[in-house]
Amino acid sequence: QQPVQSPQAVILREGEDAVINCSSSKALYSVHWYRQKHGEAPVFLMILLKGGEQKGHDKISASFNEKKQQSSLYLTASQLSYSGTYFCGTRNSGGSNYKLTFGKGTLLTVNP
Amino acid sequence: ETGVTQTPRHLVMGMTNKKSLKCEQHLGHNAMYWYKQSAKKPLELMFVYNFKEQTENNSVPSRFSPECPNSSHLFLHLHTLQPEDSALYLCASSQDLQPGREQYFGPGTRLTVT
Repeated sequence: QQPVQSPQAVILREGEDAVINCSSSKALYSVHWYRQKHGEAPVFLMILLKGGEQKGHDKISASFNEKKQQSSLYLTASQLSYSGTYFCGTRNSGGSNYKLTFGKGTLLTVNP
Repeated sequence: ETGVTQTPRHLVMGMTNKKSLKCEQHLGHNAMYWYKQSAKKPLELMFVYNFKEQTENNSVPSRFSPECPNSSHLFLHLHTLQPEDSALYLCASSQDLQPGREQYFGPGTRLTVT
């Protein structure tokens, strides 16, 4: 079952912050975040494993709440280069947990 | 450059044609994947190969036939496709199938079936 992302789209001005959420109805082992620009390959951002960890690099960070089966991606002081579609991919605990199931994506537009 | 290349980048084919998509990874990975990306839909996993062995066929119609001759190359053979098969086909690779591994994607092949 695919994770649910919210919001579907967000428009920012350069320098503003955004939060993108990813929720699952199933117990998760890991959450993977990717960004895809139009006509390009999805680019890996980060993985969060169960245990409620938080990760980040530069001004993009993420958290994983294992109890809520939810992950949030935080983009602070957004730059024009942050524009693109953000996908979360989830791996379930148990079973074929090498399979990534992706959400529908969140379209982020950063304007000058 | 992500280390995963795909050819061709664009393909237009009729419903009676036979064509193949090619993927090559230069990362020394052992697992490779085919995904389908349609407009307004999430990425859909199609096939998974690990050390050249197919480990997943996600209920994909037989008109799509994958081939993995070695850990670096992955093909998707297409025949008698339908217009609804038009989509972006993405190849990805990972070190192995451990759940904490990231997947690296190629740029995709934009397929149009007429």
